[in-house]
Parts: sequence; C-alpha cells; structure tokens
Amino acid sequence: DSGVTQTPKHLITATGQRVTLRCSPRSGDLSVYWYQQSLDQGLQFLIQYYNGEERAKGNILERFSAQQFPDLHSELNLSSLELGDSALYFCASSVPPMGMGMNTEAFFGQGTRLTVV
Amino acid sequence: GNSVTQMEGPVTLSEEAFLTINCTYTATGYPSLFWYVQYPGEGLQLLLKATKADDKGSNKGFEATYRKETTSFHLEKGSVQVSDSAVYFCALGTSNYGGSQGNLIFGKGTKLSVKP
Repeated sequence: DSGVTQTPKHLITATGQRVTLRCSPRSGDLSVYWYQQSLDQGLQFLIQYYNGEERAKGNILERFSAQQFPDLHSELNLSSLELGDSALYFCASSVPPMGMGMNTEAFFGQGTRLTVV
Repeated sequence: GNSVTQMEGPVTLSEEAFLTINCTYTATGYPSLFWYVQYPGEGLQLLLKATKADDKGSNKGFEATYRKETTSFHLEKGSVQVSDSAVYFCALGTSNYGGSQGNLIFGKGTKLSVKP
C-alpha cells in the first residue's frame, strides 16, 4: 500500500459527460501529480500541484482541469469526454516537488480506470 | 527536451534466466533515474533509483547503474522468478528548482513474462 488513495477505482460514463477523479496523497506529501496511462500513449504527465498551487503542466487537454485543496487532496476534472479519453488515470504524491532533494520519489495510487462509451 | 527510451517488449524468459531491460535517456541538468514496476491490476511501485552518476540502485535482486557517459540506466537481474512478471518502466526525474518542470518522465514500459 503506497498510502495514496484514488477514488473511484472504476468509472464508466458516456461521451460528452463530465467526471471528477479524486486523490488523497500520502500523509505529509505536499506535491500531487496526475498521469494518464493509455495503450497508445503510455504514461503521460498531465499536471503537478505543490501545496495548493499549480507547479507544472504537461500534456493536459483544455477540457481537463485540476486543483489541490487546502487539505492537500486533489481532484482531476474531465469534461466533454470523448472515447479517446478512456484510460487509467494515476495520481502520485511526493514530499518536495520532484527533483528537489536527493531522495525524492513519487508514490502512486492504484489508479482510476475511466471508460467512455 | 527530456526523454526516456526503453526497449520494446514483450520479453519472455524462463525462470532463473538473466534479465536485461535497456533504458537510455536525454536530459538537461542532473536528473534522478528510477525504475518503477507495475504488477497486473495495480499501480506503479518504485523498484529502485539512482540520484547521481555512477550510483547503483538495487532492490529485490534487481540492479541498475546510472551511467552518465552512455546516458543509460539498464535494469538487470541475475535470476528471474515467475513473480517478477510485470511491466517495468524506466523514468527520469527532473528538478523544478529554478522554474524547470519537476515531474517524472516515463519510458513506454517493457512487459516481462517469466515462464516456469
């Protein structure tokens, strides 16, 4: 158990809909990262938050948004869903932002499997 | 930009065979390097890491050495077991100190199947 909790584990929804994925980081971790894992694109970094503020952006679509709340949990909002958005969405957390400090590593949740039909 | 290239799979080995999964990277600065493992139906788990050149990461019989001269971080294990069957990801960790991005950049993953 990594200590990172993601809910729900599975989500099936229709095209055009909007969903919210939730992530609770490990206790004490300030950074949260979201990744999308699909068969054709592999693991793609979407966005990073550090202590409530957006810190880095990757290949995140404009239809997607995220936020990190004062209690450090994070939500990823996916709207106007398309079939191609079907994927496994991972959240990861780390203490300082990745790379700051010699022993930083990210701990991953079990993921949310999103199926758009 | 920063990137990671790892050997395509799938890789199928017999139990007790020697494993090598190649990983090379392109990066500016001084990245940290990681191997993550994903067992079926689970999230990613850190397998090992190295934070500077010539460091060797090791865990559960797996090893990888951070080679700056060849920009490589190949994963090796002397004798694989059926329980090692999983997908292995090489990753590069960049720093966002000073404004650059701080996140993990992953290779595409290599699926390993070990047969008894």
